Amino acid sequence: QKEVEQNSGPLSVPEGAIASLNCTYSDRGSQSFFWYRQYSGKSPELIMSIYSNGDKEDGRFTAQLNKASQYVSLLIRDSQPSDSATYLCAVNQGGKLIFGQGTELSVKP
Amino acid sequence: NAGVTQTPKFQVLKTGQSMTLQCAQDMNHNSMYWYRQDPGMGLRLIYYSASEGTTDKGEVPNGYNVSRLNKREFSLRLESAAPSQTSVYFCASFDSGGSREQFFGPGTRLTVL
Repeated sequence: QKEVEQNSGPLSVPEGAIASLNCTYSDRGSQSFFWYRQYSGKSPELIMSIYSNGDKEDGRFTAQLNKASQYVSLLIRDSQPSDSATYLCAVNQGGKLIFGQGTELSVKP
Repeated sequence: NAGVTQTPKFQVLKTGQSMTLQCAQDMNHNSMYWYRQDPGMGLRLIYYSASEGTTDKGEVPNGYNVSRLNKREFSLRLESAAPSQTSVYFCASFDSGGSREQFFGPGTRLTVL
């Protein structure tokens, strides 16, 4: 079992809809969780970090963490074509960031 | 302030050749990392360095060596390149004291023939 798992997609949503991206992790001791966005041919860039159970909102992005279920998600409201990218979930395990395989999101105009 | 820089951007090697990928950061971060990214595989950790003078293996260390030359620089060496090492390589540094964000370099696209 991979330590951090994501649905690889592609996930396709219409412009203006809510995109929901999910991630599960295996290490119960993990404390820090991150969502990165990666455009094709570019390096990953951090869009959200979350450390406590519950929701964290930043503009159109909301990260949700449930440590009991070992589950972290990212919601993108009012999705735009510019949101089309691969979204990588990452979990800090003992000072190392372990990444999921990424979910490709496509927002159709 | 250049952030994380990597050289070269592109490289083509023949099987058995050796090369070193260079990485430098100017943000005074203690921790630095090397990842490889293959289609559908996400980012896989090769080696990391929690501080100057220390290095540790990640998920996929076989076929690679690293050197933490000083606080700024962390290099990745392929002693005898294999086609399975064709990949995009990213270096990153980690801000443990402030934003706790990992900053990535622009990547090196390596092809081994």
